[in-house]
Amino acid sequence: DQQVKQNSPSLSVQEGRISILNCDYTNSMFDYFLWYKKYPAEGPTFLISISSIKDKNEDGRFTVFLNKSAKHLSLHIVPSQPGDSAVYFCAASAPSGTYKYIFGTGTRLKVLA
Amino acid sequence: DVKVTQSSRYLVKRTGEKVFLECVQDMDHENMFWYRQDPGLGLRLIYFSYDVKMKEKGDIPEGYSVSREKKERFSLILESASTNQTSMYLCASSFRPPEQYFGPGTRLTVT
Repeated sequence: DQQVKQNSPSLSVQEGRISILNCDYTNSMFDYFLWYKKYPAEGPTFLISISSIKDKNEDGRFTVFLNKSAKHLSLHIVPSQPGDSAVYFCAASAPSGTYKYIFGTGTRLKVLA
Repeated sequence: DVKVTQSSRYLVKRTGEKVFLECVQDMDHENMFWYRQDPGLGLRLIYFSYDVKMKEKGDIPEGYSVSREKKERFSLILESASTNQTSMYLCASSFRPPEQYFGPGTRLTVT
């Protein structure tokens, strides 16, 4: 049973426009959410995170929104750049309290120049 | 800069071989993790370790074991490699939430 879901396997956006990547989760006990970016042949790199006590966190061009009632989070990238083309994974911290994370299946973002 | 290194980028092994994947981190992190990444399945946790000689099973530990004799090194062992263990293997380390720092990955092919 997939506790963290990214229902869009891919997304294409024009350079300069907004990219919105979505993630849904099923366990209301998750208390931390993260987004990672992964280029081919490289390991994922941490992008941005949000605690369950917040509904928004911003870092430069990246903003993560959390809607706890809908069990939904989204990553907004504004403006999108060709270098943002990568696979994006969302992850949620397992409620056991250890530093375990459950990852979604990823969304491949392609930013078109 | 945190550095997580993995012993091989690409590895080809035969069915039934014992395979060792090594991971080393240079930031004195307590926590280390092994994941595998497969298309359509995302990253799945195999094992993690929160201290030397301590380990816990992740979501898919079957067919794998791990060893952590030193804080900086975390090894993943495939006792008898099978073709369904062909995958990208990613090691990560962390000190505290939220970040995990990942290595570049090892693409293992079992023939």
